[in-house]
Amino acid sequence: EVQLLESGGGLVQPGGSLRLSCAASGFSFSTYAMSWVRQAPGKGLEWVSGISDSSISTYYAGSVKGRFTISRDNSKNTLYLQINSLRAEDTAVYYCAKGHLRTGTALYFDYWGQGTLVTVSS
Amino acid sequence: EIVLTQSPDTLSLSPGERATLSCRASQSVSSYLAWYQQKPGQAPRLLIYDASNRATDIPARFSGSGSGTDFTLTISSLEPEDFVVYYCQQRSNWPLTFGGGTKVDIK
Repeated sequence: EVQLLESGGGLVQPGGSLRLSCAASGFSFSTYAMSWVRQAPGKGLEWVSGISDSSISTYYAGSVKGRFTISRDNSKNTLYLQINSLRAEDTAVYYCAKGHLRTGTALYFDYWGQGTLVTVSS
Repeated sequence: EIVLTQSPDTLSLSPGERATLSCRASQSVSSYLAWYQQKPGQAPRLLIYDASNRATDIPARFSGSGSGTDFTLTISSLEPEDFVVYYCQQRSNWPLTFGGGTKVDIK
């Protein structure tokens, strides 16, 4: 059974930093591209960042480029998102999502975690 | 960036009725479009990928059509559990983008 378990969310002040983690199990993590997708309270979905299976390629939404860094450790089956210079508009549930194909990086998402809430407030 | 515009924002229907949801792209995405369903408090679930292919374990009442810039998600006969929010997503170009969502609620 595929499982994605996010952690690392919490309350942080504007300008602060957090590192989100996503522990994956039940599939061959090292052979799939992964992404982070966020959802502000009561709002729609926003793709944030994606990474290829081997970490060679990374992609970011314009709203987070230069502030967020995606990475992965295939030996630990874990995906990360380092988020810096946090703003109030970054407040959201952050979901880890698995790409639907073994090849490619621009994908759909067939499995999602339960999400971790990041709240940016003073 | 490709903008996906979903319409209507809210669709009010009764159980058993047919639902037709629209997703329009600001430029062609070929057939690289998916539909997701999101229930309250849950993560999204992939329903349709590449415009018309049902994902694993998705009931046959869900179908997708379209190509280029205009896409449709059809629910042939609404079940009580279908009255939730639906999103489209394109993978034709970076950045990946989602539509704003359509809520299907009970009339």
